Amino acid sequence: QQPVQSPQAVILREGEDAVINCSSSKALYSVHWYRQKHGEAPVFLMILLKGGEQKGHEKISASFNEKKQQSSLYLTASQLSYSGTYFCGTVLLMDTGRRALTFGSGTRLQVQP
Amino acid sequence: DTEVTQTPKHLVMGMTNKKSLKCEQHMGHRAMYWYKQKAKKPPELMFVYSYEKLSINESVPSRFSPECPNSSLLNLHLHALQPEDSALYLCASSQERADNNEQFFGPGTRLTVL
Repeated sequence: QQPVQSPQAVILREGEDAVINCSSSKALYSVHWYRQKHGEAPVFLMILLKGGEQKGHEKISASFNEKKQQSSLYLTASQLSYSGTYFCGTVLLMDTGRRALTFGSGTRLQVQP
Repeated sequence: DTEVTQTPKHLVMGMTNKKSLKCEQHMGHRAMYWYKQKAKKPPELMFVYSYEKLSINESVPSRFSPECPNSSLLNLHLHALQPEDSALYLCASSQERADNNEQFFGPGTRLTVL
């Protein structure tokens, strides 16, 4: 089951903060965060593996809740370069019996001057 | 070298053509992936190769045929495609299977099927 991301889109002014959420009805093995700029490949941001984990730095960080069913990405004091589509990815057990990374629907973030 | 390269960047083909997409990485990664991405949608997993063996085929039609000649190369052979197959095709690699390893994505091949 694809993880659910919210919001679908957000527009910010430079310097404003944003939070992007990624949730699942079941406990997740891990959560990956990627950013994709228009016309470019997705770029890895971070992976969270443990419940209660927080990772990242002052500007871009993420958390994974204790039950491992929700992760949030925090963008602080946004810059123009933060614009793009943010995807969370979760490792799910596929019908083939293998685990594979499945991406959420994405959050389109636009930072304006 | 921390780059995944893909060729060609753009490809236009007819429904009767046969073409191939190529992907290469020299990071020593043992897992390689093909994704399909439609506009404004997330990447969708197509195939996973682990140690040069196909480990996941996500119910992809047989008109798409993957090949992993060696640990650095991944091909996607295309034959008798449909217009709805037009999309961005992304290749990615990781050290091992995707569970807890970041994936490095190539720039993609933008495919148009006429």
